[in-house]
Amino acid sequence: GAGVSQTPSNKVTEKGKYVELRCDPISGHTALYWYRQSLGQGPEFLIYFQGTGAADDSGLPNDRFFAVRPEGSVSTLKIQRTERGDSAVYLCASSLLAGLAGGEQFFGPGTRLTVL
Amino acid sequence: GEDVEQSLFLSVREGDSSVINCTYTDSSSTYLYWYKQEPGAGLQLLTYIFSNMDMKQDQRLTVLLNKKDKHLSLRIADTQTGDSAIYFCAAPSGGYQKVTFGTGTKLQVIP
Repeated sequence: GAGVSQTPSNKVTEKGKYVELRCDPISGHTALYWYRQSLGQGPEFLIYFQGTGAADDSGLPNDRFFAVRPEGSVSTLKIQRTERGDSAVYLCASSLLAGLAGGEQFFGPGTRLTVL
Repeated sequence: GEDVEQSLFLSVREGDSSVINCTYTDSSSTYLYWYKQEPGAGLQLLTYIFSNMDMKQDQRLTVLLNKKDKHLSLRIADTQTGDSAIYFCAAPSGGYQKVTFGTGTKLQVIP
């Protein structure tokens, strides 16, 4: 595609519910990243995929958060038993290869998650 | 892990130069980045500098790196209203792919 797309653009849910956030990377990009940006803060690294596998998931805050990328393209970030503190903008980025030497990270517009 | 800090706000008049400052903690960072975030738009990589450089110039942008003091700055010459945005300094930690961002500096350009 022309750029990284994320759906939905906005998601409002109730505390305790399950949500899925989707990321469509740029076609051909092998690396995919998820970040979380809280109000007034910079993006915070969550997880990084190289192909289908999660190469680094050290940023996931707890086991309620999980992400998959089964075919090495689209990725889904899944959050179970949502809490009010999960409210943030979730950003996805992709790059041609891993790291800056492999190309810059191109960011999507984000999904704004609000947990009531 | 890496810790990146920036001042929160900068206001300049159109046509003046803007200087946004950043400090970081991980001396092994091989690259340092500047990103721009405009309202309703995604993050955009503005420029980056290798740690073995002390200056990089790209049109109106000049990046200065003081590796000894772990200080990075972004200078925007002839600042325009279209430069109004939040600017993030970022550094890799634990590998190129894991990037730590600062809190962002909101640049306000007064016409």
